[in-house]
Amino acid sequence: QVQLVESGGGLVKPGGSLRLSCAASGFTFSDYYMSWIRQAPGKGLEWVSYISSSGSTIYYADSVKGRFTISRDNAKNSLYLQMNSLRAEDTAVYYCARVGGSSWYSHWGQGTLVTVSS
Amino acid sequence: QTVVTQEPSFSVSPGGTVTLTCGLSSGSVSTSYYPSWYQQTPGQAPRTLIYSTNTRSSGVPDRFSGSILGNKAALTITGAQADDESDYYCVLYMGSGTVVFGGGTKLTVL
Repeated sequence: QVQLVESGGGLVKPGGSLRLSCAASGFTFSDYYMSWIRQAPGKGLEWVSYISSSGSTIYYADSVKGRFTISRDNAKNSLYLQMNSLRAEDTAVYYCARVGGSSWYSHWGQGTLVTVSS
Repeated sequence: QTVVTQEPSFSVSPGGTVTLTCGLSSGSVSTSYYPSWYQQTPGQAPRTLIYSTNTRSSGVPDRFSGSILGNKAALTITGAQADDESDYYCVLYMGSGTVVFGGGTKLTVL
């Protein structure tokens, strides 16, 4: 069965960096687009970034553009999110999700919590 | 800035029917936005219910259905059950791989 397992979250100071990982299994990872989606405490879901199956096409939400970098390693069945210049408003649970078609999310990980605080 | 609108909260009686909607701050929602719907209970990851307007995700009971009603996307739950009490999010596809989530609707079953 499809499994997505995020890791790498934790407490980081404002201005710091963190790298999230998402380990995929149960499907042919290299066939699927992937996304990162986040949810601030007590708030709704927010799309963060999207990467095509080959990694050649990438999009970011305006709120993270220039600070976050999405990438993937198809040989390792892994998705990544490099987060730099972190701000308090980046505090959230970060989910990786498999994209169905190009417009919806067929499977979600359990999420990893990122807390940006001094 | 595109805003996707949802009712902040809704309540339904057990066994009843409820329709949640998903609109745009400017313009109408059509199938071209490929609306999808997700259910989330506190502390859990979202669960995919509906995609491409009206296609149920695998394992989703047919009590859940999606449609376009007027100028909005809609999620209808028939025969509401206690465990349908959740937050419901719609997503609209904006093109070029980007999507916008609605603010979510908190559904209470009582």
